[in-house]
Amino acid sequence: GAVVSQHPSWVICKSGTSVKIECRSLDFQATTMFWYRQFPKQSLMLMATSNEGSKATYEQGVEKDKFLINHASLTLSTLTVTSAHPEDSSFYICSAIPSGSRDTGELFFGEGSRLTVL
Amino acid sequence: AQTVTQSQPEMSVQEAETVTLSCTYDTSESDYYLFWYKQPPSRQMILVIRQEAYKQQNATENRFSVNFQKAAKSFSLKISDSQLGDAAMYFCAYRRRVEYGNKLVFGAGTILRVKS
Repeated sequence: GAVVSQHPSWVICKSGTSVKIECRSLDFQATTMFWYRQFPKQSLMLMATSNEGSKATYEQGVEKDKFLINHASLTLSTLTVTSAHPEDSSFYICSAIPSGSRDTGELFFGEGSRLTVL
Repeated sequence: AQTVTQSQPEMSVQEAETVTLSCTYDTSESDYYLFWYKQPPSRQMILVIRQEAYKQQNATENRFSVNFQKAAKSFSLKISDSQLGDAAMYFCAYRRRVEYGNKLVFGAGTILRVKS
């Protein structure tokens, strides 16, 4: 199956700093990627849809200035948590849809990134 | 808007026994995908099984099978011969088929515990 790599898998930062998380599709091109946030024992909450070459579409209630998304190439999307605070501590997961005819319905997920803000 | 409902927050099953996880969904679309994803303690999302709505035949993958009832908008997952490695959180998910780039809509999840 298609592989999505997410980096870093865990990060600890100080309050007020910014953290960047990368999501790469390793063996396919992905025009669209998604970013989720997950709290313990809860479902994945969609934060935003990332489209290559255009602005991300944010879900209601998600601060676009806090969670900056850049999808500069067909294999890379980044999520930057700006001026992180302890309440931003969470598990962040990305997923990607193969472009064009390779889209068979399934989304492929990264391994997730655990962010802890001290 | 489409919604997915998993009414069982937690389920338990004895090793080697069979368990069924429930899922219902609401949509006005006729063409869509349904999925069951497994999230073990590693938190990596793993696709268990996929169903295309236009196919009447229930999908199966080894010990995993679904009961897809399109009219009732029900999509349950049956796990046969349960193994300790099946212990995980299971998510039912829906995705519209038409148009590229549609998102997955997830249910709340069911924690499955497997007893030895």
